[in-house]
Amino acid sequence: ETGVTQSPTHLIKTRGQQVTLRCSSQSGHNTVSWYQQALGQGPQFIFQYYREEENGRGNFPPRFSGLQFPNYSSELNVNALELDDSALYLCASSLVTVYYNEQFFGPGTRLTVL
Amino acid sequence: DQQVKQNSPSLSVQEGRISILNCDYTNSMFDYFLWYKKYPAEGPTFLISISSIKDKNEDGRFTVFLNKSAKHLSLHIVPSQPGDSAVYFCAARRTGANNLFFGTGTRLTVIP
Repeated sequence: ETGVTQSPTHLIKTRGQQVTLRCSSQSGHNTVSWYQQALGQGPQFIFQYYREEENGRGNFPPRFSGLQFPNYSSELNVNALELDDSALYLCASSLVTVYYNEQFFGPGTRLTVL
Repeated sequence: DQQVKQNSPSLSVQEGRISILNCDYTNSMFDYFLWYKKYPAEGPTFLISISSIKDKNEDGRFTVFLNKSAKHLSLHIVPSQPGDSAVYFCAARRTGANNLFFGTGTRLTVIP
């Protein structure tokens, strides 16, 4: 069973640029969530995708957008990067049923905005 | 608005002793609580969870206690081992939702 993978591991961008982060869900999972973890903080929920549709969104502006593909892999896109977007971006996958299932996290992508 | 709080940024414990990590929450709609452990350069790993209908859940050396009236939960690790040294996050889920609200984490150091 393959776990959650994310790419790239590290990324450096400049203010105003756009970035795309990628995530491959754990095999058999149909839901992917993205979290932003700023330095010294806990992960904060950005949004969740279930069967290729956005299924909940946290308090993040529209320049944060995402996609989920038929194979349940996912992308997080951030436009017009700001310095405060520097953070660890975590992807988590789960299998949504009538019962809550734990989310399994990838190792994250460390984004630095200069 | 931090709905899940971990007020102790760090904790040091001798090997073999008990580690107690605390977590408070403010949202009464939370119905499921989880603890995650995070090592450097890795994503958070699920450790143990508890439903709001229970007040205790045990899994080996790890026990989570939930006090709903106080909106407080704690994670007990007995006995503590050096491999337990990591950052521990408390997380909570609202009824009907799948996203998690995380605390800021507590760095546990178990001293050999």
